Amino acid sequence: SQQGEEDPQALSIQEGENATMNCSYKTSINNLQWYRQNSGRGLVHLILIRSNEREKHSGRLRVTLDTSKKSSSLLITASRAADTASYFCATDWNSASKIIFGSGTRLSIRP
Amino acid sequence: EAEVAQSPRYKITEKSQAVAFWCDPISGHATLYWYRQILGQGPELLVQFQDESVVDDSQLPKDRFSAERLKGVDSTLKIQPAELGDSAMYLCASSTQGRTEAFFGQGTRLTVV
Repeated sequence: SQQGEEDPQALSIQEGENATMNCSYKTSINNLQWYRQNSGRGLVHLILIRSNEREKHSGRLRVTLDTSKKSSSLLITASRAADTASYFCATDWNSASKIIFGSGTRLSIRP
Repeated sequence: EAEVAQSPRYKITEKSQAVAFWCDPISGHATLYWYRQILGQGPELLVQFQDESVVDDSQLPKDRFSAERLKGVDSTLKIQPAELGDSAMYLCASSTQGRTEAFFGQGTRLTVV
């Protein structure tokens, strides 16, 4: 079973707009990560936020974490065609670094 | 730049046949993961190794799936016999001990006919 659920399942926006994806999870966590997957390819790690952090930035990415609500959001600013991909949140909560993925958000950027 | 290598990239096999996938993690990465990803879904963890030891295989269908990492480096995932429902992408990933940022290979796309 999957730990996280992303919302929305699919998102289509105009190039240049901002894209926001949300992730909810079930159990207490050590870390939450976001990954990107281009069609038919492997996943690429984007950013990791620890359970004691509330916000983190990396380039055009902004991640927030609310442990009281067991939720996280990923904001991509000034979207580009190359951002078209599926985005997954992933959590780990035990000492063995077991990583469990959510169901993903499919993001499409319209030119 | 170091990468996780997987082979083959694509595999078509008939049901009831045996199939095997190979993964070579990034050098020095003690943790190795095998995931199965059905089209349109997120990756599902099948097995996790720490060096040569299995840390978690709770979601591995052990009646037909097996995984090994004999020398704590490369790993093989086997399915015998393959079933139609095994058609999926099989992803291998690795990470350094104590860190959970995982590096993924390109995956093996399995089609069972």
